[in-house]
Amino acid sequence: AQSVSQHNHHVILSEAASLELGCNYSYGGTVNLFWYVQYPGQHLQLLLKYFSGDPLVKGIKGFEAEFIKSKFSFNLRKPSVQWSDTAEYFCAVTTYSSASKIIFGSGTRLSIRP
Amino acid sequence: GAGVSQTPSNKVTEKGKYVELRCDPISGHTALYWYRQSLGQGPEFLIYFQGTGAADDSGLPNDRFFAVRPEGSVSTLKIQRTERGDSAVYLCASSPGAGGPATDTQYFGPGTRLTVL
Repeated sequence: AQSVSQHNHHVILSEAASLELGCNYSYGGTVNLFWYVQYPGQHLQLLLKYFSGDPLVKGIKGFEAEFIKSKFSFNLRKPSVQWSDTAEYFCAVTTYSSASKIIFGSGTRLSIRP
Repeated sequence: GAGVSQTPSNKVTEKGKYVELRCDPISGHTALYWYRQSLGQGPEFLIYFQGTGAADDSGLPNDRFFAVRPEGSVSTLKIQRTERGDSAVYLCASSPGAGGPATDTQYFGPGTRLTVL
């Protein structure tokens, strides 16, 4: 069965630090990849997505993610975090064999020290 | 426009009782999804509707769980004979439906927190 792993459960950074959140998936075929974010007290919302083409995807609020097929990874990055980036981040995948299901990772809680 | 709304926001019930959770999708969205999110976990897929029909209900954990969407808009998730293990946040999402669930952007509601005592 397909799965998504986010190995960092809680990351604490200072403002202006660089961010990289890991995401690995297990599926050998074609995948679509997503990062969702949930700010405190708000709904889950899409940060960015990858379907095909350029493996470096840019999303909202200065976030980007790189799809590395050989590593089954889709890590999220931001060069300089802000206090407002404090949130829970979820990596997710859909595949063509289970296309109606988004499979989510367990999430990474990001805390930014002002 | 209005986003996805879910009612109630919180529901406390006793073991063995029946509950209904409601989802109002974004107007015009033909696809609707239910997820369950337990503490410390990501959302777990339950069921996907395209229009009025359940296109994929393979995520429903057992036959105590059932969902309907009779007019292709509002959906109700029904849980019979609730158990303590059903306690979770139940999330609803909708999408335009044009691209298919693999690629459509899903818009999530705030969730219903269900607590079974």
